[in-house]
Amino acid sequence: QVQLQESGPGLLKPSETLSLTCTVSGASISSYDWTWVRQPPGKGLEWIGDLYSGGATKLSPSLTSRVTLSLDTSKSQFSLRLRSVTAADSAVYYCARLNMGYDSTGFYHFFDSWGQGTLVTVSS
Amino acid sequence: ENVLTQSPGTLSLSPGERATLSCRSSQSISGRLLTWYQQKLGQPPRLLIYGGSTRATGIPDRFSAGGSGTVFTLTISRLEPEDFAVYHCQQYGSPLTFGGGTKVEIK
Repeated sequence: QVQLQESGPGLLKPSETLSLTCTVSGASISSYDWTWVRQPPGKGLEWIGDLYSGGATKLSPSLTSRVTLSLDTSKSQFSLRLRSVTAADSAVYYCARLNMGYDSTGFYHFFDSWGQGTLVTVSS
Repeated sequence: ENVLTQSPGTLSLSPGERATLSCRSSQSISGRLLTWYQQKLGQPPRLLIYGGSTRATGIPDRFSAGGSGTVFTLTISRLEPEDFAVYHCQQYGSPLTFGGGTKVEIK
């Protein structure tokens, strides 16, 4: 059973860079695609971007100028970097496994395993 | 951007009752691109329904979903105590978006 665990600093100052890592166990990181989603306290979910097994990414247009996603297969980890953070970036950040492809009925895309999430607060 | 609007914001029901949750899309989409998640307080989302109507592994058959175009529905036929949670719909588009969530609370 795949398990994901986010790690990184919980408190940042405005203009700093957020760096989070998701460690994957129970599955080969090279065999799947991955994603990052965030959730401001008391609010809904926001998709940040998908990271494909070959290293390509698909990012939210609202964040693409500040986000970098990367894969480290040797450590079974993938990472999120978000530059120039503001208070609006305060949220619980989740990593998840992306399941995407085609079956007999057509295309499918969903997030089937999630980390527990890590709270990031941006405050001066 | 395809905006998903979930209603009602909060649904107050008793165990054993039927819950009907709505997810309206600002753009017409294939039902196969609609996914539902359940989230309990302090926990990550849990995959419930994908491909518009396919239950994820281990999801009981009291959960069902469907719809097409711009109107999608998640139904819980008889609420169990563990079903009281927040439910999110999500569409695969460019970009991918989530609805604001519907909270199902105990009446």
